[in-house]
Amino acid sequence: AQSVSQHNHHVILSEAASLELGCNYSYGGTVNLFWYVQYPGQHLQLLLKYFSGDPLVKGIKGFEAEFIKSKFSFNLRKPSVQWSDTAEYFCAVLSYNTDKLIFGTGTRLQVFP
Amino acid sequence: GAVVSQHPSWVICKSGTSVKIECRSLDFQATTMFWYRQFPKQSLMLMATSNEGSKATYEQGVEKDKFLINHASLTLSTLTVTSAHPEDSSFYICSARGQTSGSYNEQFFGPGTRLTVL
Repeated sequence: AQSVSQHNHHVILSEAASLELGCNYSYGGTVNLFWYVQYPGQHLQLLLKYFSGDPLVKGIKGFEAEFIKSKFSFNLRKPSVQWSDTAEYFCAVLSYNTDKLIFGTGTRLQVFP
Repeated sequence: GAVVSQHPSWVICKSGTSVKIECRSLDFQATTMFWYRQFPKQSLMLMATSNEGSKATYEQGVEKDKFLINHASLTLSTLTVTSAHPEDSSFYICSARGQTSGSYNEQFFGPGTRLTVL
């Protein structure tokens, strides 16, 4: 079955620490990849997306992600987190075969001042 | 651009009643709309996909007679939870996809509707 795995369920960091959240998927074929953020009490917002081209994608708020096709991974990174980055982060994969957007289980990030 | 709204944002109802949730694309035509369900502290699970003017396609395990979806226009889809029960309490989120300035494959999400069934 097609699936998306996020290995880090809960991450706690201090401000200015570096962040890397893992995302792996099990689809074959062509995929589009997304990272969404959900701040407390708010709706999903798109952080960044990969459709094609340069596998290193830069998004909003200083986030970036790298698509490594051979590893079926799309890890999210930020060199220096802020308290305002406290939120739930979801990786999502759209398979061209199924045309369905499948979400990972999410990673809860807490950043302390 | 690419704004999706949902109404209501929250609703409380008695067990056995039906609840209708609206999803609107405000500034683009949504050829496809999606309905997701999110339980507390869990991920989004796709419930169904609806294309304008067609019957919705439901995911395995989702009761189509309980969760009625209508996508009558390019800017509006509705989800009706019929004979709601407490186990239907959840956060329902819609998304829309269509011809926007972005890529066709990008979905734009609504703010969600929190349903509580007493």
